[in-house]
Amino acid sequence: NAGVTQTPKFRILKIGQSMTLQCAQDMNHNYMYWYRQDPGMGLKLIYYSVGAGITDKGEVPNGYNVSRSTTEDFPLRLELAAPSQTSVYFCASSYAILYGYTFGSGTRLTVV
Amino acid sequence: AQKITQTQPGMFVQEKEAVTLDCTYDTSDPSYGLFWYKQPSSGEMIFLIYQGSYDQQNATEGRYSLNFQKARKSANLVISASQLGDSAMYFCAMREGKSSGDKLTFGTGTRLAVRP
Repeated sequence: NAGVTQTPKFRILKIGQSMTLQCAQDMNHNYMYWYRQDPGMGLKLIYYSVGAGITDKGEVPNGYNVSRSTTEDFPLRLELAAPSQTSVYFCASSYAILYGYTFGSGTRLTVV
Repeated sequence: AQKITQTQPGMFVQEKEAVTLDCTYDTSDPSYGLFWYKQPSSGEMIFLIYQGSYDQQNATEGRYSLNFQKARKSANLVISASQLGDSAMYFCAMREGKSSGDKLTFGTGTRLAVRP
């Protein structure tokens, strides 16, 4: 099915480890986003991209990096994981904002 | 100041009744869009409805309608004829202006429980 695919769905990291959260969409959307959702809270924007080769910081970018080499893929890199990065991470894409974002199913990350 | 405020952390509604979830927003930009998303216990985010700041009529999508009161800066979600499957977390979100990226700012959400 067309949509936004996130992998992995679950991950446990030790403090100081690094990992990459994968996000791919097959809808040819230019805009892609990474959000995090802490327990009982709304979503906060980490990074976003308006097209291949273009990325920019959101509200909470510290501790993360992104790249956008293709229209389809928008991976999120965590360097030196910290307990404060325990969260659910959502990737999303959009063609035109009128139709809202299409979200991936999320990655639940625990840092211990 | 909070850009999106949802003052109801949790609500109950009886099955088949209507319920209103509150959302107020803060922006000085004349061009903006307002969204509602549903997040069931399974965790996915489901787009429900959109209202543009220049739209003359309130948006409707099936059992969902958005009560848009521009002067009060409110964008309440009305769910008619509640169903058990409507039990979920509901988020209000706003996009401001024509800035690049079409970024959404989310509220903290309202958890709705539908009683049989």
